[in-house]
Amino acid sequence: GENVEQHPSTLSVQEGDSAVIKCTYSDSASNYFPWYKQELGKGPQLIIDIRSNVGEKKDQRIAVTLNKTAKHFSLHITETQPEDSAVYFCAASEKGGSEKLVFGKGTKLTVNP
Amino acid sequence: IAGITQAPTSQILAAGRRMTLRCTQDMRHNAMYWYRQDLGLGLRLIHYSNTAGTTGKGEVPDGYSVSRANTDDFPLTLASAVPSQTSVYFCASSALAGGFSEQFFGPGTRLTVL
Repeated sequence: GENVEQHPSTLSVQEGDSAVIKCTYSDSASNYFPWYKQELGKGPQLIIDIRSNVGEKKDQRIAVTLNKTAKHFSLHITETQPEDSAVYFCAASEKGGSEKLVFGKGTKLTVNP
Repeated sequence: IAGITQAPTSQILAAGRRMTLRCTQDMRHNAMYWYRQDLGLGLRLIHYSNTAGTTGKGEVPDGYSVSRANTDDFPLTLASAVPSQTSVYFCASSALAGGFSEQFFGPGTRLTVL
């Protein structure tokens, strides 16, 4: 089955700097790659996703890139703000007739004011 | 719109006891999921359901059972709880209407098994 590796496990940046989180996946059949943000005490919430027919997608300060050949994808947050502090999870779709996802182990991002 | 509700918010349970975690969604989503979240291990799928009346096993199904009698409800049962089932449990749902769609998560249930 699919395996997703996520790095780094923790990331600390200064406010205004950029943050990059990287993930690799094992199954070349995966075609959907979402990123979720989890704030303390809450459930994860989708912030951006990308499908295998697209190489890059942006939404304001957030962007995701996908390299299908290398089987890796990355989350880029520019001009970080303290409210970006959270745990971020990448995920990759599992093949089959469902919408099952395999998640990475998460990255705890701290943005220092 | 409530989205997904879970109950209870938290629970302390003696080992060997039976426990059912409740999950209800009001979005008329076809698919529902149960995950457990443990520190350093991320989110792991326990069971899922693509539609009412069907269920499937995820990555870590042992010790858990689910049912999907209708579209809205997807309870998770621990028949005889063990301390290794101490975790935060999240229920999620997605439309499953052709192509991958967003999974919406509930607020979670924190379960401690002593």
